[in-house]
Amino acid sequence: NAGVTQTPKFRILKIGQSMTLQCAQDMNHNYMYWYRQDPGMGLKLIYYSVGAGITDKGEVPNGYNVSRSTTEDFPLRLELAAPSQTSVYFCASSYMEYNSPLHFGNGTRLTVT
Amino acid sequence: AQSVTQLGSHVSVSEGALVLLRCNYSSSVPPYLFWYVQYPNQGLQLLLKYTSAATLVKGINGFEAEFKKSETSFHLTKPSAHMSDAAEYFCAVSREEKGGSEKLVFGKGTKLTVNP
Repeated sequence: NAGVTQTPKFRILKIGQSMTLQCAQDMNHNYMYWYRQDPGMGLKLIYYSVGAGITDKGEVPNGYNVSRSTTEDFPLRLELAAPSQTSVYFCASSYMEYNSPLHFGNGTRLTVT
Repeated sequence: AQSVTQLGSHVSVSEGALVLLRCNYSSSVPPYLFWYVQYPNQGLQLLLKYTSAATLVKGINGFEAEFKKSETSFHLTKPSAHMSDAAEYFCAVSREEKGGSEKLVFGKGTKLTVNP
């Protein structure tokens, strides 16, 4: 099993550009999450999904959008990139929500200049 | 809402020494508690989790954590540090609520350095 796969690994964007961070999992997990990690700040939840067609905002959703058309895929869209979105982004999935461990991808390092 | 506090953003130990990484949580109901480890340029991996079955939880790579309700703590320990333990460690808490849910909340992380 590949687990959770994120692409790309690295990306540099100019201010105002758009991009989509891809995330796919092959574990048939219903729950999927997007986090951003900034130095010394831990992980902050951006968006999550409890199943295909259902998404909801997390702690820091502004400037991002998501969709969940299939169980496997959960892309994260940045419409107008800003320097504040420079971060490392992690996608994760889990079998259940409350007490199931998260399975993380290896992250996408994004720089906005 | 629950929260997690990790005491010490950086901890340095000598190889072979005891590792102690501190985590305190706030929650009015019994929580689910987790420790995750992040190696450089990788995502987080589960070390261990507490789900009320036993207060002393054993995880991978020789790590264990003890749930102490009276102290609202879930400290991570390893008797003898190895160079390969150098990583960042995150404590996290979640709980189930009626009519809704609480997402996993992460602490800010503790970076462990192991000196030869």
